[in-house]
Amino acid sequence: DAKTTQPNSMESNEEEPVHLPCNHSTISGTDYIHWYRQLPSQGPEYVIHGLTSNVNNRMASLAIAEDRKSSTLILHRATLRDAAVYYCILYDNYGQNFVFGPGTRLSVLP
Amino acid sequence: ETGVTQTPRHLVMGMTNKKSLKCEQHLGHNAMYWYKQSAKKPLELMFVYNFKEQTENNSVPSRFSPECPNSSHLFLHLHTLQPEDSALYLCASSQEVAGQGLFGYTFGSGTRLTIV
Repeated sequence: DAKTTQPNSMESNEEEPVHLPCNHSTISGTDYIHWYRQLPSQGPEYVIHGLTSNVNNRMASLAIAEDRKSSTLILHRATLRDAAVYYCILYDNYGQNFVFGPGTRLSVLP
Repeated sequence: ETGVTQTPRHLVMGMTNKKSLKCEQHLGHNAMYWYKQSAKKPLELMFVYNFKEQTENNSVPSRFSPECPNSSHLFLHLHTLQPEDSALYLCASSQEVAGQGLFGYTFGSGTRLTIV
């Protein structure tokens, strides 16, 4: 089972920031937090990942709570091309793989 | 292109047919994966290969048969499939070896399989 919980859907207006939340209360000390997104008719695409510190890259920022039990993916200026399903995932050390949940479906309104 | 190429992109086959899905990566990754994505369901892991050795078979029916001849190629052989096997089949690769999730996955675009 996925070890994270996310809202089923969110809406944003174009060119506004988007904050996508994720809860992972059972996270262990060595689990990396990964975010992927899946555009229609495509495979998932890596967005960002982190362990403890906040992370930034050209696509997004990842804010990790101090207790690591939650994180937030931040898209600084949403575009129509950012409409996708966003997955917050922890690595399953037992199964040695990523377990995907249903994710958050982000709609971006023009 | 993501660096992971899957062929064909679309496949329609009858329940008695035999076909194969192909996945290829030249990213230097040592682990490869097959996932299944049915309509309105999360991705389900099917098989994991590390250095060409199968390390995970997630209770997949025997009508799905994986093959990993080298670290760059992965196949999924299909025979006598059922209508409920219609789905998007995704291949991924990573540098992951020992766990922790330090490295991310690179996914292909998938093969849309329809069983008629």
